[in-house]
Amino acid sequence: AQKVTQAQTEISVVEKEDVTLDCVYETRDTTYYLFWYKQPPSGELVFLIRRNSFDEQNEISGRYSWNFQKSTSSFNFTITASQVVDSAVYFCALRWAGDSGTYKYIFGTGTRLKVL
Amino acid sequence: NAGVTQTPKFRVLKTGQSMTLLCAQDMNHEYMYWYRQDPGMGLRLIHYSVGEGTTAKGEVPDGYNVSRLKKQNFLLGLESAAPSQTSVYFCASTYGGQVSYEQYFGPGTRLTVT
Repeated sequence: AQKVTQAQTEISVVEKEDVTLDCVYETRDTTYYLFWYKQPPSGELVFLIRRNSFDEQNEISGRYSWNFQKSTSSFNFTITASQVVDSAVYFCALRWAGDSGTYKYIFGTGTRLKVL
Repeated sequence: NAGVTQTPKFRVLKTGQSMTLLCAQDMNHEYMYWYRQDPGMGLRLIHYSVGEGTTAKGEVPDGYNVSRLKKQNFLLGLESAAPSQTSVYFCASTYGGQVSYEQYFGPGTRLTVT
């Protein structure tokens, strides 16, 4: 079965600290995609990054970086020098097809980040 | 280009009442999805559609029905609302195909069932 686990329910950091949000996934598919979304207090869902299962290169975008490791089925997200505006709930998601050939997404339960 | 819109934004229902949530997208996306978001549960898939005239069940379909008569619209119906359906509902759309694109989400509908 497909599963996405975000074990950290809530993290609090002081501004300018670095913070890593963990995401562990399970899937039988050999081709799949992973995503991170941000949900600020206003409630909308904001796309941050997409990564396919064949691309294990880490990615950096400004203060954000992502570490994808197939060996440990993890897709972790690091914010460097956190800012108050980073306070939000962050979701990791997995897109998979399975036997039906139609694409579904499964989300983790989210990590609430509070930057103080 | 409005993206994904949801109507209404807020609604209060009494137990047993019915309602329909409308999702519309103007990006010509094949796939559309309905999710519900509850505290501590993340987003859970209710129903989805891979094209006009098609629908399929997701993870938590009970108590909901959907229809996709037009490619740009995806309707979510509650025939007899229950307090357990109090939630925030999000609609999303995306392109189909093996190359995956991100889902585009609507702003959400906050539904309270008393």
